[in-house]
Amino acid sequence: NAGVTQTPKFRVLKTGQSMTLLCAQDMNHEYMYWYRQDPGMGLRLIHYSVGEGTTAKGEVPDGYNVSRLKKQNFLLGLESAAPSQTSVYFCASSSPIAGKQETQYFGPGTRLLVL
Amino acid sequence: ELKVEQNPLFLSMQEGKNYTIYCNYSTTSDRLYWYRQDPGKSLESLFVLLSNGAVKQEGRLMASLDTKARLSTLHITAAVHDLSATYFCASPPGGYNKLIFGAGTRLAVHP
Repeated sequence: NAGVTQTPKFRVLKTGQSMTLLCAQDMNHEYMYWYRQDPGMGLRLIHYSVGEGTTAKGEVPDGYNVSRLKKQNFLLGLESAAPSQTSVYFCASSSPIAGKQETQYFGPGTRLLVL
Repeated sequence: ELKVEQNPLFLSMQEGKNYTIYCNYSTTSDRLYWYRQDPGKSLESLFVLLSNGAVKQEGRLMASLDTKARLSTLHITAAVHDLSATYFCASPPGGYNKLIFGAGTRLAVHP
């Protein structure tokens, strides 16, 4: 199993450009998440999904959109990139087990630089 | 505002010494997670603490949870260089296992 994979690993954008980050998991997990990590701030939740076709906002959703058309994939879109979106983006997945929820499994991350 | 606070944020330790990282959280959750992150890498799950009084140990690391005090600790015993990394605690504030992370404790173990 590959676990959680992310594409691309690194990207440079100019202000105003758009892009989509792809997350894929092969663990048949119901829940998927997008976080951003900035220096000294830990990880912050952008959006999450609890199943195919559903999405919801996290702590810092502004400027991002997401889609979950297939259970194994979770896409994060930036419609008009801003320098404040320079960050490392992590995707994660998890699955509820008998009422208790196990840990999240993280992808390798995507480093995004917006100039 | 829901918060997860770790201290210290930076810890320089000598090999062989013991130390404790503290994680205070303001959610009402009965669960707490610890992760490790090496520089430039992803997050690796260390411990999942699922109830009050939970204690888990793996090698030189031991984590505990006190839900009444809203406090978790990560204790390091006889530190070695391989433990150098950033350690995060995280608490789920509600359903669907969404996590609020602490800022992380950067641990540097030196001879």
